[in-house]
Amino acid sequence: TQLLEQSPQFLSIQEGENLTVYCNSSSVFSSLQWYRQEPGEGPVLLVTVVTGGEVKKLKRLTFQFGDARKDSSLHITAAQPGDTGLYLCAGARWTSYDKVIFGPGTSLSVIP
Amino acid sequence: NAGVTQTPKFQVLKTGQSMTLQCAQDMNHEYMSWYRQDPGMGLRLIHYSVGAGITDQGEVPNGYNVSRSTTEDFPLRLLSAAPSQTSVYFCASRQGSYGYTFGSGTRLTVV
Repeated sequence: TQLLEQSPQFLSIQEGENLTVYCNSSSVFSSLQWYRQEPGEGPVLLVTVVTGGEVKKLKRLTFQFGDARKDSSLHITAAQPGDTGLYLCAGARWTSYDKVIFGPGTSLSVIP
Repeated sequence: NAGVTQTPKFQVLKTGQSMTLQCAQDMNHEYMSWYRQDPGMGLRLIHYSVGAGITDQGEVPNGYNVSRSTTEDFPLRLLSAAPSQTSVYFCASRQGSYGYTFGSGTRLTVV
């Protein structure tokens, strides 16, 4: 059983569409991060959210941390082919701050 | 500024062989971790370190050893390679609650 669940597992959309991916857990996290990974490379950090209810924007990407600090979402507006990749959420639980664990990822394909 | 450097990039081992994956960071980060990535399973934590001389086990530590003698280096040792250890291995470092900076990975095949 994954401590962090992500949905959907796969997503294929047309350029210009909007999408949301989700990261959920039954545990409370001190912080959550989102990464994007391209084939053959290591994950690259997009954002860290640390406060319950926090919303952060990075150009066309909007990240939200749930009020209870158990879930997060990533919304992409007007997706572009360059957004294609594996999106990973990761976090450290309150009870084990030093361990950062990852969800299984959402594989996004944006078709021109 | 090189960030996190992993060597080698590719490696093929025979079952039972041992080897060390190297990881070095030049950002003076206190935290370093090793993850393995397998299809459909995301990244799983093998071992991590919160500073020089301090290491601890992650989710899947069996068959691996680590040490942290300096802030910069965090090598991962495979004691006796098994086919189940075929994977892509990532080293990462971070400072405090900031996110990780990852290396480019080592693709390991055990035959």
